[in-house]
Amino acid sequence: DVQLVQSGAEVKKPGESLKISCKGSGYRFTTYWIGWVRQMPGKGLEWMGVLYPDDSDTRYSPSFQGQVTISADRSITTAYLQWSSLRASDTGMYYCVRQGSLGAYFDYWGQGTLVTVSS
Amino acid sequence: EIVLTQSPGTLSLSPGERATLSCRASQTVSNSYLAWYQQKPGQAPRLLIYGASSRATGIPDRFSGSGSGTDFTLTISRLEPEDFAVYYCQKYGGSPPITFGQGTRLEIK
Repeated sequence: DVQLVQSGAEVKKPGESLKISCKGSGYRFTTYWIGWVRQMPGKGLEWMGVLYPDDSDTRYSPSFQGQVTISADRSITTAYLQWSSLRASDTGMYYCVRQGSLGAYFDYWGQGTLVTVSS
Repeated sequence: EIVLTQSPGTLSLSPGERATLSCRASQTVSNSYLAWYQQKPGQAPRLLIYGASSRATGIPDRFSGSGSGTDFTLTISRLEPEDFAVYYCQKYGGSPPITFGQGTRLEIK
């Protein structure tokens, strides 16, 4: 079975750094794009960016370019989303998703990682 | 960037009734690259429909999608109690960015 398993909830202070993870299993990790989606509290879904693990080709939504970094470690079939300096406005649920090709729909979703940024 | 507008914002119906949810795009969605997702409280979204009308694996046939160009519809033929949730449409395909509608909340009347 295809699974995307994300790391646990995080509570951080403004200005701190953070890296959350998404481990893929049950499929060939390097041949599917992995994306990230944000959902702020009580709000809708926002696509953040996507990475192709085979060559680390990465694309970002203009809204998130420069705000986050997407990466992956093929050897452990894990993708990452990281912030260098968190803000309170980064509070939300973050989902990783699998895409069959660049720009494709999301056929599998991780369970989500709740990030809370508060002083 | 294509903007997707979903209507209504909230739909109140009873189990057994038919639900019709709308998604309108600000420009033509090429190749009908339009998907629908269902999100229940406390859960991740799940894919229902892709290519405007193709059901994802394991999705019951009471869910159907239709439309092309700028107007798309998700229909649930006979509502089951587990269908009450929030539904999002999504434009995908080609170059990013990928965009979502703001969602329609389907609630029990």
